[in-house]
Amino acid sequence: DAGITQSPRHKVTETGTPVTLRCHQTENHRYMYWYRQDPGHGLRLIHYSYGVKDTDKGEVSDGYSVSRSKTEDFLLTLESATSSQTSVYFCAISRVPNTEAFFGQGTRLTVV
Amino acid sequence: EDKVVQSPLSLVVHEGDTVTLNCSYEVTNFRSLLWYKQEKKAPTFLFMLTSSGIEKKSGRLSSILDKKELFSILNITATQTGDSAVYLCAVSINRDDKIIFGKGTRLHILP
Repeated sequence: DAGITQSPRHKVTETGTPVTLRCHQTENHRYMYWYRQDPGHGLRLIHYSYGVKDTDKGEVSDGYSVSRSKTEDFLLTLESATSSQTSVYFCAISRVPNTEAFFGQGTRLTVV
Repeated sequence: EDKVVQSPLSLVVHEGDTVTLNCSYEVTNFRSLLWYKQEKKAPTFLFMLTSSGIEKKSGRLSSILDKKELFSILNITATQTGDSAVYLCAVSINRDDKIIFGKGTRLHILP
């Protein structure tokens, strides 16, 4: 399996609090992605990174920010969590964009 | 707007049946199409398709891409209960390096 670790794996947080999810890879892949998965919506791209300090928005980026200060770590921050951000969050990595992306095990986030 | 549409959204068949899952797409600057299988946790990679008409095959699973008609199919022959999963189709876009997913097809195999 590709070396991708997401942390935490589960989190419950209160509305209005900031939350940071971490994706750590040991594969030295250039591309990293954050997705959320909700029933009836499949996987939706939040933000992605194509290199250190190089990030861009996906289709559902409102309310989220990201940072990538080194190749191995891609952080997703919910500035002020809302109940609509309750979801399962997946990180993915790929060596180049036209090859398969490998996924982490997911983080289940509940905002109460 | 780039989009990937999968059909059917849900499918129930009996063990031994053959199934065909569909994926159509409308994107600018298409690079590749990818199929994933998702059981309880993370999606796992099945196939990547970049050229029309060339079948990719792995055991009982096969897939083909039609870049003129903008769709792909995933076939599973002699289905087994272990094939029960959500099958995800995704498209990699050349312009901005995104990978966009469809909503998935939930396949359930009855014993």
